[in-house]
Amino acid sequence: VLTQSPGTLSLSPGERATLSCRASQSVSSSYLAWYQQKPAQPPRLLIYGASSRAAGIPERFSGSGSGTDFTLTITRLEPEDFAVYYCQLYGSSPLYTFGQGTKLEIE
Amino acid sequence: QVQLQESGPGLVKPSETLSLTCAVSGYSISRAYYWGWIRQPPGKGLEWIGSFYHNGDTDYNPSLKRRVTISVDTSKNQFSLKVTSVTATDTAVYYCVRLGAGWLYFEVWGRGTLVTVSS
Repeated sequence: VLTQSPGTLSLSPGERATLSCRASQSVSSSYLAWYQQKPAQPPRLLIYGASSRAAGIPERFSGSGSGTDFTLTITRLEPEDFAVYYCQLYGSSPLYTFGQGTKLEIE
Repeated sequence: QVQLQESGPGLVKPSETLSLTCAVSGYSISRAYYWGWIRQPPGKGLEWIGSFYHNGDTDYNPSLKRRVTISVDTSKNQFSLKVTSVTATDTAVYYCVRLGAGWLYFEVWGRGTLVTVSS
């Protein structure tokens, strides 16, 4: 089970966002990914292997963590960064699970 | 650049079978990679449905396994999803996806198609 917090994060452009994803048991960092989803769009892969940025993802997005606690950090928020963010885990049953999402909204 | 496009009926009656197709362009699904389906009920989170490898291996979400079948048509470079005995809880946007290297995450997504289950 993946638990994301907070459910909603209200920040202003230019601020730093820190999103959390906690696994119910220790997992390999290789198995953790992050996605961004904007309204009426499919999710977009941001981070894989807990800390590797996907192709074309700006450097202001970074991932970290190990064991049960993982973090997605967005430094200096841009207007286009306000969206819903999901973490995703590979392994166990079912083979792929998603967190419930964190909505990043403009304050 | 690989692109995925879902197609199928937008409305399905309860107890009937939901059928969707994913057309793949820019890459031959018979070459490699895992491919699959994910769904998202309106206003809710993401749920993995199932995946298959180009050699025919398939994995399904245990919660759906009894009702789901993923099949492949390499001649048309497309794959399909069938969900039987649908109910209103199967109403969702359905995405076809390609998994990334190592089959640990979802690298390429289709735009998604909304399927509503209603009489």
